[in-house]
Amino acid sequence: NAGVTQTPKFRVLKTGQSMTLLCAQDMNHEYMYWYRQDPGMGLRLIHYSVGEGTTAKGEVPDGYNVSRLKKQNFLLGLESAAPSQTSVYFCASRRTGDGEKLFFGSGTQLSVL
Amino acid sequence: KQEVTQIPAALSVPEGENLVLNCSFTDSAIYNLQWFRQDPGKGLTSLLLIQSSQREQTSGRLNASLDKSSGRSTLYIAASQPGDSATYLCAVTSTPLVFGKGTRLSVIA
Repeated sequence: NAGVTQTPKFRVLKTGQSMTLLCAQDMNHEYMYWYRQDPGMGLRLIHYSVGEGTTAKGEVPDGYNVSRLKKQNFLLGLESAAPSQTSVYFCASRRTGDGEKLFFGSGTQLSVL
Repeated sequence: KQEVTQIPAALSVPEGENLVLNCSFTDSAIYNLQWFRQDPGKGLTSLLLIQSSQREQTSGRLNASLDKSSGRSTLYIAASQPGDSATYLCAVTSTPLVFGKGTRLSVIA
């Protein structure tokens, strides 16, 4: 099993450009999450999904959009990138239930110039 | 709003020492608490998960405890090794997970 796979691993954008980050999991997990990790700020939740076709806002959703058209995929979009969105982005997934562990992808390093 | 605090932010110990990492949270209405390990440039790996009805979980040299009433959890690492060097994060599931900022551990050979 590949687990949680994120693409791309690295990306450099210019201010105002758009891009989509892809997260794919092969564990048939219901719940999927997008986090960003910044020095001194820790991990902050951007958006999450509790099932196919559903999404919800997290702590820092502004400037991002998401879609969960297929159960195994969770896409994070930046419509007009800003330097403040320079960060490391992590996707995670888990099964439903209170005792289920969270599995993380290896991250995407995004720089917005 | 749930807040999770980890103290200390960084810790350096000699190899072989037993150590304790601390995690505190403000809202005791949690479903579970997880401890993660993160190596530089990598994603997070779940080490232990304690459900709200449990008091502790053990895996090898790791033992995690949970005291919901006081809003505290500890991660005990026995006989530390250089390979344990990493950042350790705790996260509580209210809805959804809220992470602490982590403790960066260095084990010196």
